[in-house]
Amino acid sequence: EPEVTQTPSHQVTQMGQEVILRCVPISNHLYFYWYRQILGQKVEFLVSFYNNEISEKSEIFDDQFSVERPDGSNFTLKIRSTKLEDSAMYFCASSWDKTSTDTQYFGPGTRLTVL
Amino acid sequence: KQEVTQIPAALSVPEGENLVLNCSFTDSAIYNLQWFRQDPGKGLTSLLLIQSSQREQTSGRLNASLDKSSGRSTLYIAASQPGDSATYLCAVRPGDSSYKLIFGSGTRLLVRP
Repeated sequence: EPEVTQTPSHQVTQMGQEVILRCVPISNHLYFYWYRQILGQKVEFLVSFYNNEISEKSEIFDDQFSVERPDGSNFTLKIRSTKLEDSAMYFCASSWDKTSTDTQYFGPGTRLTVL
Repeated sequence: KQEVTQIPAALSVPEGENLVLNCSFTDSAIYNLQWFRQDPGKGLTSLLLIQSSQREQTSGRLNASLDKSSGRSTLYIAASQPGDSATYLCAVRPGDSSYKLIFGSGTRLLVRP
């Protein structure tokens, strides 16, 4: 069964460093998402991406964040200058379309630890 | 602003019991609702999706219901097994012009052998 994959599974970085989290969505999906879950808190929406542009973003997704689909298979989240509070599990998701029947499929997540 | 709440936060039951997990949302204008399962340190696995026009969906031992007008959904698990132990999350999609899912904080379920 097709699945969303994410690399790395765990990333440790120093505060102020840039990180890139990578995702390979399900191959025929057209909509891509990033969510995050700070330890002990709810899963929060960050951004959605369709047709090579951001379709929706939350207040969390400020100028330090960016997303890109550099080729036909990868979808990346870049955090320019990491802060301690960026430590969280980051989930990528994808869906075929955005109708009411459409399910978002989630990857296993990347645990980001900022020291 | 849409808020999603799940009660109880944690539940421990003996194997074989039927159980109900609850999800409530503050704005009844939703597009759909999804139930997910999350195992410790892992990703989210979609269990069921209910469209706003539907009342319930079933998959195996799972049955999810939706009452939009009262802002409630329930996930019924029949004949629970230790392998059902996980955190169960519900999430609503606010509308057809929004792509995001808004999550509850989850119910942590332990099924004791």
